[in-house]
Amino acid sequence: EAAVTQSPRNKVTVTGGNVTLSCRQTNSHNYMYWYRQDTGHGLRLIHYSYGAGNLQIGDVPDGYKATRTTQEDFFLLLELASPSQTSLYFCASSDGTGNTLYFGAGTRLSVL
Amino acid sequence: GEQVEQRPPHLSVREGDSAIIICTYTDSATAYFSWYKQEAGAGLQLLMSVLSNVDRKEEQGLTVLLNKKDKRLSLNLTAAHPGDSAVYFCAVSLNYNQGKLIFGQGTKLSIKP
Repeated sequence: EAAVTQSPRNKVTVTGGNVTLSCRQTNSHNYMYWYRQDTGHGLRLIHYSYGAGNLQIGDVPDGYKATRTTQEDFFLLLELASPSQTSLYFCASSDGTGNTLYFGAGTRLSVL
Repeated sequence: GEQVEQRPPHLSVREGDSAIIICTYTDSATAYFSWYKQEAGAGLQLLMSVLSNVDRKEEQGLTVLLNKKDKRLSLNLTAAHPGDSAVYFCAVSLNYNQGKLIFGQGTKLSIKP
């Protein structure tokens, strides 16, 4: 049973649209992350969180907001989506005692 | 900040042959080094990790080498089989436990029969 679940798996929106990507983990991990994956760039960290209500800025945060409502749930918000945000988005969790990340299956977002 | 370069972007080897993927990094204070595997349509899964005090680690047909002098990390798959076809990423960190990883660009490995 998947311990990190992302929804939706695929999303198409238009420029200027409002998008929310969801992530739920059942690992009982405190740390959660949002990455985007683009060809030629690997994975880049957008936002991360150390626990419910905590938010940290990653390396490519522009145009994204995030909210951690519970230990299990972490959301990524694109309030004015742009074509440059077309990407494959991954959520991950870790227990904070090491650097092992546990990834979800990803959400493919297309902004037209 | 830390920069990680991974090569080659694509690699094709015959079944039974070895495959080597290399990453170079820029910050000599890098403390944690890892390799992830991404199968088609799936998320990434940790293959192996080493700390900066380890030069070599072998597990189940995989060898990770760390050359701190040259700031180079490599992954060697011996006797590749079809199940090894995937995209491989190196990932490094300046700390031991915050999970803030910096990833390489990825290598798509194809195994020919």
